[in-house]
Amino acid sequence: QKEVEQNSGPLSVPEGAIASLNCTYSDRVSQSFFWYRQYSGKSPELIMSIYSNGDKEDGRFTAQLNKASQYVSLLIRDSQPSDSATYLCAVPKTGGSYIPTFGRGTSLIVHP
Amino acid sequence: DAGVIQSPRHEVTEMGQEVTLRCKLISGHNSLFWYRQTMMRGLELLIYFNNNVPIDDSGMPEDRFSAKMPNASFSTLKIQPSEPRDSAVYFCASSAGGTNEKLFFGSGTQLSVL
Repeated sequence: QKEVEQNSGPLSVPEGAIASLNCTYSDRVSQSFFWYRQYSGKSPELIMSIYSNGDKEDGRFTAQLNKASQYVSLLIRDSQPSDSATYLCAVPKTGGSYIPTFGRGTSLIVHP
Repeated sequence: DAGVIQSPRHEVTEMGQEVTLRCKLISGHNSLFWYRQTMMRGLELLIYFNNNVPIDDSGMPEDRFSAKMPNASFSTLKIQPSEPRDSAVYFCASSAGGTNEKLFFGSGTQLSVL
């Protein structure tokens, strides 16, 4: 099992809808979780981080964490065409060194 | 701050040639990561430095790859000899360290080995 797994998509949603992106991880003791957005031809940039079970909201973005299920998700409300990008889930390795392990990313397409 | 600076942006070379990628960290950051991104394998860690010391190089594919951090602000990734399967986007990222620190990525180097 890969350390961080995401559905590669593409996930296609209409403008104004809620986009739901999911990520599962294998290390049960992981404590911090990150979502990066990567536009085509660009580098990843951090959009959300979450450390505790439950929801964390930032504008149109909500990160959800369930450590018991080893599951983290990102919801994008009122999706816009400018949200079209690849979303990467990152989970740092445990055991001493902080080394983010990335999922392969989910491609999101928001169509007008 | 100018952010993480990588050079070159694009590199096209022939199989067997030496390739050197360069990275300048954000001032004050002490952690440096080299990642490689391909469609097939996604974003893979190659090597991680902390305070100029290589901590984890388990992702370095083979002896053809080497990385150095001669000072706190600069790193190089060298491939010698290069092969077509090395074609990918290579990203350098830095952070201030710690388990909750975000990574700041450079703009990447698109490497094509013919």
